[in-house]
Amino acid sequence: SQTIHQWPATLVQPVGSPLSLECTVEGTSNPNLYWYRQAAGRGLQLLFYSVGIGQISSEVPQNLSASRPQDRQFILSSKKLLLSDSGFYLCAWRRITEAFFGQGTRLTVV
Amino acid sequence: QQQVKQSPQSLIVQKGGISIINCAYENTAFDYFPWYQQFPGKGPALLIAIRPDVSEKKEGRFTISFNKSAKQFSLHIMDSQPGDSATYFCAASGGSNYKLTFGKGTLLTVNP
Repeated sequence: SQTIHQWPATLVQPVGSPLSLECTVEGTSNPNLYWYRQAAGRGLQLLFYSVGIGQISSEVPQNLSASRPQDRQFILSSKKLLLSDSGFYLCAWRRITEAFFGQGTRLTVV
Repeated sequence: QQQVKQSPQSLIVQKGGISIINCAYENTAFDYFPWYQQFPGKGPALLIAIRPDVSEKKEGRFTISFNKSAKQFSLHIMDSQPGDSATYFCAASGGSNYKLTFGKGTLLTVNP
């Protein structure tokens, strides 16, 4: 069966520090991969998606970047965090139609 | 064209009652409509999904009703339980679009 791993679960980082969140998927190949952010409240904002290795599409201009160095690995990064980068970050993968989410990373920028 | 509008923002239901959440979409290319359930601090989990070739899909206490001409779909939770208290998201996708477009979510509270 397919599983998605996302870590860390929580992270507190100072303003101006770098960020690296990692997501890996097991049990499938060539998945579509996504990074979402969920700010305080409930809405899911799509940040990046990838249909293959090295292929990244950005949905909104921001302080973040994404990379896909391997088929089942998706990384969300920032060189310098802003206070506004705080939120709940979710990785997801998609098989044909259904999308499955990781358990999320709660990022607090202080 | 990419919007999915979800209502209500929040909903309070008594145990045993029916919870109804509605969504409307604009893009006629959408052909897949899932609902997700999210508990606090967790990632959303796929609950139930429907394609526009059927008007209704039922899984246990959860039913999706779909109205293609009105471009609307809804989630009905029968015999609502306190354990159903969560945030529910509708979504839509279709065509060559790799993305799921989400509604803004409904916070459901089921009182015992």
